[in-house]
Amino acid sequence: SYVLTQPPSVSVAPGKTARITCGGNNVGSKSVHWYQQTPGQAPLLVIYYDSDRPSGIPERFSGSNSGNTATLTISRVEAGDEADYYCQVWEDSSTVVFGGGTKLTVL
Amino acid sequence: QITLKESGPTLVKPTQTLTLTCTFSGFSLSTSGVGVGWIRQPPGKALEWLALIYWNDDKRYSPSLKTKLTITTDTSKEEVVLTVTNMDPVDTATYFCAHVSGFSSSYKHFDYWGQGTLVTVSS
Repeated sequence: SYVLTQPPSVSVAPGKTARITCGGNNVGSKSVHWYQQTPGQAPLLVIYYDSDRPSGIPERFSGSNSGNTATLTISRVEAGDEADYYCQVWEDSSTVVFGGGTKLTVL
Repeated sequence: QITLKESGPTLVKPTQTLTLTCTFSGFSLSTSGVGVGWIRQPPGKALEWLALIYWNDDKRYSPSLKTKLTITTDTSKEEVVLTVTNMDPVDTATYFCAHVSGFSSSYKHFDYWGQGTLVTVSS
């Protein structure tokens, strides 16, 4: 089965740039989606199709995907960005896979 | 405006069957390309995809759980039901349903989510 590997935690100071990676075998050939989840809330889609932003998501959120690593980048990090972030792909046309999640801490 | 809401028991006993209902509005499951999925999250753990049903009644299941899961929609296609058989304490989780969007199977994503419902498995 296909595995997506995320770092358990990432820490960043306010105003700096956070990068959260999602590793997988040739993940660059897949479409990666990213979700933000704050405690007690449902996940929120923040990036789809590797780098597209849904309406209402700040431009500070961006995504890239190449080779074996997809990256969610959050620029000018704010306290409100502190959350768990999950990447998601399709292993094939039948199976959805989520990464293990990354806890973003704003120092 | 798309909304989804999960409903069902909050407590089930081991070996029982769990039936969860996702009631949605703002879209039709009869529209080409539309789908509804179920995802769960054990306390303090990661998201785990369970199942998905498309507008044409095409169904997809997590390979590791497919023997326990059944996803269906009612005839009016305004609800999606997930049944999980032989519940075990490891199945304790918040269960979410979500609207599926995307232009082809391998590009689909979950763009609207319900609030989730916590199901505890305990005798």
